Amino acid sequence: DTAVSQTPKYLVTQMGNDKSIKCEQNLGHDTMYWYKQDSKKFLKIMFSYNNKELIINETVPNRFSPKSPDKAHLNLHINSLELGDSAVYFCASSQDNRGRYGYTFGSGTRLTVV
Amino acid sequence: LAKTTQPISMDSYEGQEVNITCSHNNIATNDYITWYQQFPSQGPRFIIQGYKTKVTNEVASLFIPADRKSSTLSLPRVSLSDTAVYYCLVGEENQGGKLIFGQGTELSVKP
Repeated sequence: DTAVSQTPKYLVTQMGNDKSIKCEQNLGHDTMYWYKQDSKKFLKIMFSYNNKELIINETVPNRFSPKSPDKAHLNLHINSLELGDSAVYFCASSQDNRGRYGYTFGSGTRLTVV
Repeated sequence: LAKTTQPISMDSYEGQEVNITCSHNNIATNDYITWYQQFPSQGPRFIIQGYKTKVTNEVASLFIPADRKSSTLSLPRVSLSDTAVYYCLVGEENQGGKLIFGQGTELSVKP
């Protein structure tokens, strides 16, 4: 079983569209994250949820809205997509909100906005 | 925030030991050090974590000097499949687990 699974793996869409990326973890972890990796390979945290509660909200356009229906799921909805949103988005989870035992990452969603 | 500095790239040959050093001069007392490995088209994978001295697991060793201002990831006898980007991260316990990924070290293992 995949520990952290994201769907879809690839997403190609036009500017202005609204899209969602889903993430699920079956590790029983309390905390989940969304990271963005740009073309230069830098990984930047976007959001973090601990037991369905938002604990980290970096400087991200409000077109990006995370939703956590339960602690095993963290979805990312993006409104009015722009060319600059093209990147790989990674979901991750950790046992607690300090990440002391490491993060488990999903395999990523490559978003291409055309 | 504790910032990390690593070499951008390293080359090695199969069978060699590879040591990647990371500088983190501003590490805080409660911070821990974690290394991740990332293959193309995959998410980062946890390799090893430590606070001080030496930590060893089945994949790698992590050496941390007494001042904790640097750390060295040691990969014994690398193979072609160890070609990846390696990230050094310093944890911030009072920031909700937010870890800052630097640019990483791109390791290329040649036959």
